[in-house]
Amino acid sequence: GESVGLHLPTLSVQEGDNSIINCAYSNSASDYFIWYKQESGKGPQFIIDIRSNMDKRQGQRVTVLLNKTVKHLSLQIAATQPGDSAVYFCADYPGHGSSNTGKLIFGQGTTLQVKP
Amino acid sequence: DVKVTQSSRYLVKRTGEKVFLECVQDMDHENMFWYRQDPGLGLRLIYFSYDVKMKEKGDIPEGYSVSREKKERFSLILESASTNQTSMYLCASSSMGSLNEKLFFGSGTQLSVL
Repeated sequence: GESVGLHLPTLSVQEGDNSIINCAYSNSASDYFIWYKQESGKGPQFIIDIRSNMDKRQGQRVTVLLNKTVKHLSLQIAATQPGDSAVYFCADYPGHGSSNTGKLIFGQGTTLQVKP
Repeated sequence: DVKVTQSSRYLVKRTGEKVFLECVQDMDHENMFWYRQDPGLGLRLIYFSYDVKMKEKGDIPEGYSVSREKKERFSLILESASTNQTSMYLCASSSMGSLNEKLFFGSGTQLSVL
């Protein structure tokens, strides 16, 4: 069945280092992927998205890489800051074009801890 | 700024009580969703609605119902709360007919059923 998984439940990095959070998905028909950030006590917030016709997309200090061959997605955060400490979720949309209900499939999340 | 507002941040209820969780969005979005979030299980979809008075079951609808009488408001109802419904409940919305399927989430309601 469809699943989205993250490789590590927790990632600890030093402030100023780059962070890489990984995600694997199972549905080869998925064509839209999103990363969310959830800070303590808040709902998930959109970070960046990517469509399957792209391999890479960059935002402010964040880059998402998509490898469709191995069904792998990663989020890279440059110069990680204490404010980046949060739980990060990947999500994929298995039915783009067939339905617009936005029924995303979420992974379980990776907790990013930034050490000062 | 877009906003999804959940009426309560924390709720404590007793087993057997009827519980209403309210959610309002100000973005004129067609789609609205209710998720629950539990440690180790991630976000699981309970119900969603793609139009007023329309509703669809998600992955874990048992023990829940929903109401969408107005476009901006989506209510989650626990007819008879049980302890296994203690959880963080997240409401979200998205726009229909757009290339952008991203969800906008509320801040969540932490429900404790005693």
